[in-house]
Amino acid sequence: ETGVTQTPRHLVMGMTNKKSLKCEQHLGHNAMYWYKQSAKKPLELMFVYNFKEQTENNSVPSRFSPECPNSSHLFLHLHTLQPEDSALYLCASSLGQGVTEAFFGQGTRLTVV
Amino acid sequence: GQQLNQSPQSMFIQEGEDVSMNCTSSSIFNTWLWYKQDPGEGPVLLIALYKAGELTSNGRLTAQFGITRKDSFLNISASIPSDVGIYFCAGQLFTNAGKSTFGDGTTLTVKP
Repeated sequence: ETGVTQTPRHLVMGMTNKKSLKCEQHLGHNAMYWYKQSAKKPLELMFVYNFKEQTENNSVPSRFSPECPNSSHLFLHLHTLQPEDSALYLCASSLGQGVTEAFFGQGTRLTVV
Repeated sequence: GQQLNQSPQSMFIQEGEDVSMNCTSSSIFNTWLWYKQDPGEGPVLLIALYKAGELTSNGRLTAQFGITRKDSFLNISASIPSDVGIYFCAGQLFTNAGKSTFGDGTTLTVKP
């Protein structure tokens, strides 16, 4: 138990579906992150939020839409995805942006069919 | 952007053996991090290194921040079956607000 909880753990969705991934942390952290982990590729940073404000969008396609209503919750809204978007999506948090120790959730394994 | 070369890609070793893996970069980092990812889980931070030449241990794990600031090494002594997993290195620059660049990972298999 790392203190960062992601739901769902597994998700299968069609290319025309709309779904959302949820991340919650009870560590009192102020920075939250979305990463994408594809097979045989390094972790790719997608978005960073610091004190609920988005501070980083790493050229992510608009079919991925993040939302951070408060410092404890982070969502990733998915719409009109492609099969190549299938991957493990990891949420992480840290005390603040720039703090090296990040705590990761277990991830959501997404399959787009 | 910066890229990290992590090697080896995979290792198959016998329980009790020592393990060594490394990460190299074409440019410098201010911080080096080593994570382990168990199957079905997210990465967990093992060791963080903040100064060139720094040598830090965490139990059977020892990591070093290379003097050139362009590389880092992780050693595991007397491996056990629960060491199985994927080990990632990551580098950070102060100027990049703590964004981590990750290596491809080293997959470790330990045979009992």
